[in-house]
Amino acid sequence: DGGITQSPKYLFRKEGQNVTLSCEQNLNHDAMYWYRQDPGQGLRLIYYSQIVNDFQKGDIAEGYSVSREKKESFPLTVTSAQKNPTAFYLCASSIFDSQSQPQHFGDGTRLSIL
Amino acid sequence: AQSVTQPDIHITVSEGASLELRCNYSYGATPYLFWYVQSPGQGLQLLLKYFSGDTLVQGIKGFEAEFKRSQSSFNLRKPSVHWSDAAEYFCAVGERTGTASKLTFGTGTRLQVTL
Repeated sequence: DGGITQSPKYLFRKEGQNVTLSCEQNLNHDAMYWYRQDPGQGLRLIYYSQIVNDFQKGDIAEGYSVSREKKESFPLTVTSAQKNPTAFYLCASSIFDSQSQPQHFGDGTRLSIL
Repeated sequence: AQSVTQPDIHITVSEGASLELRCNYSYGATPYLFWYVQSPGQGLQLLLKYFSGDTLVQGIKGFEAEFKRSQSSFNLRKPSVHWSDAAEYFCAVGERTGTASKLTFGTGTRLQVTL
């Protein structure tokens, strides 16, 4: 079955540590997205990528970094500069980057601070 | 920039009762509208979408939504709720910003179903 796989499901970060969240899709989608979800705030866009080797900042990119070396992979690094990283992180993809295209979501990674 | 408002943070309905979840948006042109559902600890699943044409759209799991341009609304409805419908529901609008597109989400409505 095609879909989006996020790993790990739970992740713990120590102070001053960078951590990387994995996102892999086998839907052959060009566009991929990272969202942060906090209680009562809905989803906020961190980064997105329209095509391989290209990505753009979303609304809350500070303290995060991404790469898009392969079409199927879009890892997110939460750096030590992100002072409040505790949240639920969701990866999504769409066939191509268009406001008319629905996005398909993974099951998320919950990041907590030790 | 667009915005999406879901005025109800939490709604409780009895199983078998009808359901309506409200969504209002702000956007100058014809919007691309979506409803998603999220079960606890899971990702989001697309319920339905509206682009143009018939203002009443049918989705999965027996849900439907009606686009009303005059009210800038896209409310989600279900005639008879099942206990398995308990989840959080998000309304979203698609927006084009420069060379890229994005989804803007509402803050969600949590649905509780009592037996």
